[in-house]
Amino acid sequence: QVQLQESGPGLVKSSETLSLTCFVSGYSITSDYFWGWIRQSPGKGLEWIGHIYHSGTTYYNPSLKSRVTISLDPSKNEFSLNLGSVTATDTGLYYCARLGAASSWFDRWGRGTLVTVSS
Amino acid sequence: QSLLTQPPSASGAPGQSVTISCSGGSSSFETSTVNWYQRLPEAAPKLLIYFNSLRPSGVSDRFSGSKSGTSASLDIRGLQSEDEGDYFCSTWDVSLKGVVFGGGTRLTVL
Repeated sequence: QVQLQESGPGLVKSSETLSLTCFVSGYSITSDYFWGWIRQSPGKGLEWIGHIYHSGTTYYNPSLKSRVTISLDPSKNEFSLNLGSVTATDTGLYYCARLGAASSWFDRWGRGTLVTVSS
Repeated sequence: QSLLTQPPSASGAPGQSVTISCSGGSSSFETSTVNWYQRLPEAAPKLLIYFNSLRPSGVSDRFSGSKSGTSASLDIRGLQSEDEGDYFCSTWDVSLKGVVFGGGTRLTVL
């Protein structure tokens, strides 16, 4: 059974970098799927951040592209999110999820991790 | 700001049916397919409907989806208390080259 689990600091200081990791169990991240990040800020809907293919090809939301890096660590079967120069508007619930290579839906999600950006 | 518009809330009594709508603001939405997710309290989001109307294995047939033109709908029949939670629609945006989500609908079972 495929499971995803987010981890990382729950509190990040403004202007610093938010770093999260998603550990995947039950499936190899080097197989045929994309691996993505989605967030929900307070009072807002879900926002796609970006995703990465096992080849390393990445796709980012243009509104975040200048600050985002998503990377893979096949040796640990996990992938990571780095979001730089954070502000209070980056506070929210961050999810990792699996996206089909030829589809538009995320079929497996983690439970999410809450990140608060403090001043 | 979401490119897909959902009502912020919906409600119904146990056993009743409820419909949640999702409308797209762009013409490209007419040819896009829609997916639906359920997020129950303290749980990971779950894919409920994909490709407008298909259910993943294990999803109850009480849930059904449809799409016509620039509007999509999620129908839930035989409401149960455990259906309470948030429901999101999503689609692939060609110009964004990524996924867009609706603002979400909070379902309350009265």
